[in-house]
Amino acid sequence: DQQVKQNSPSLSVQEGRISILNCDYTNSMFDYFLWYKKYPAEGPTFLISISSIKDKNEDGRFTVFLNKSAKHLSLHIVPSQPGDSAVYFCAASFSGNNRKLIWGLGTSLAVNP
Amino acid sequence: NAGVTQTPKFQVLKTGQSMTLQCAQDMNHNSMYWYRQDPGMGLRLIYYSASEGTTDKGEVPNGYNVSRLNKREFSLRLESAAPSQTSVYFCAIQGFYEQYFGPGTRLTVT
Repeated sequence: DQQVKQNSPSLSVQEGRISILNCDYTNSMFDYFLWYKKYPAEGPTFLISISSIKDKNEDGRFTVFLNKSAKHLSLHIVPSQPGDSAVYFCAASFSGNNRKLIWGLGTSLAVNP
Repeated sequence: NAGVTQTPKFQVLKTGQSMTLQCAQDMNHNSMYWYRQDPGMGLRLIYYSASEGTTDKGEVPNGYNVSRLNKREFSLRLESAAPSQTSVYFCAIQGFYEQYFGPGTRLTVT
């Protein structure tokens, strides 16, 4: 049973436009959410996170929105750049699980010049 | 990936051979993890270690063993490799909320 779901396996956007990557979760115990970026032949790298007590966190071109009532979060990248082309993983954790991360399956983003 | 190193980067094994994947960290974190990544399957947890001397099974532990002999190192052993273990293996360490990953080991079992 997938507790963290990324329902879009892939996404293609034009350079300069907004990229929106979505993530849904089922476990109401999750209190921290993270986004990771992964390039081919490299390990995942932490991108941005949000606590469940917030509904928005922004870091430069990257913003994460959390809608707890809908159990939904999204990552916005504005403006998108070709170097953003990568696989993006959504992950969640809670203290009762020793902060182990529960992962989505990833969304492959292609930003076209 | 600074702070987490993995060796080797690539390995080809024949079915039935054994090998150990090494992971080391220089960030003095307690928890360490081994994942495998397969196309369309995301990151699946094999084993983890919450502290030196302790290990626990993750989602897909069958066919693997681990060893956490000290705080710095966490190794993953395949005793008798199978083609189903062809994958990319990542080691990670736990910060307060985030995990930090090594560069990975690409393993092919023929």
